[in-house]
Amino acid sequence: ILNVEQSPQSLHVQEGDSTNFTCSFPSSNFYALHWYRWETAKSPEALFVMTLNGDEKKKGRISATLNTKEGYSYLYIKGSQPEDSATYLCALYSGGSNYKLTFGKGTLLTVNP
Amino acid sequence: GAGVSQTPSNKVTEKGKYVELRCDPISGHTALYWYRQSLGQGPEFLIYFQGTGAADDSGLPNDRFFAVRPEGSVSTLKIQRTERGDSAVYLCASSLKGNHEQYFGPGTRLTVT
Repeated sequence: ILNVEQSPQSLHVQEGDSTNFTCSFPSSNFYALHWYRWETAKSPEALFVMTLNGDEKKKGRISATLNTKEGYSYLYIKGSQPEDSATYLCALYSGGSNYKLTFGKGTLLTVNP
Repeated sequence: GAGVSQTPSNKVTEKGKYVELRCDPISGHTALYWYRQSLGQGPEFLIYFQGTGAADDSGLPNDRFFAVRPEGSVSTLKIQRTERGDSAVYLCASSLKGNHEQYFGPGTRLTVT
């Protein structure tokens, strides 16, 4: 059973603060790492797909890094805005013909205006 | 274009009743996945369809759960004799062929009273 862990479980920040959270996964079972943003009553939105050790990806104020040797990924949000409030999920794809994603429990981010 | 849609968005049912949850994938996507997010957990894989056939149903928790995709497009997840532990958000995703890059619907929130 693959264990994908996310921390912290929840986070409250003020508008304008920068923040980051962590996803850790078994380094021996790695093919790709996905980050999703999930707002209540909406579809989970794909943020990044990361496959290479040392990958850094950026989308506006959000960026992510990947370390496959030690089994972790960081998601950073610069200058948080209230609209960034959501649950951020990471999901591991460890290969296999069923394309199953193994998700962490998510980090619930609340940005206070 | 249209994304993955799921109906109903919310379903409340009594213990012991039968429910059906529907998923309309993105047009042209041959692969379809069902996941379930129980309270406090990340989404967990249930079943993967390639075309009309269930390529992997190893995540279905027991024989009360069944899913079909008779024409290779719309899928229905069927739950018999619902139990309170079935309460969760049921997410559907689709992809072009089999792919770990999956597009999610907004989910159906099932509450069993």
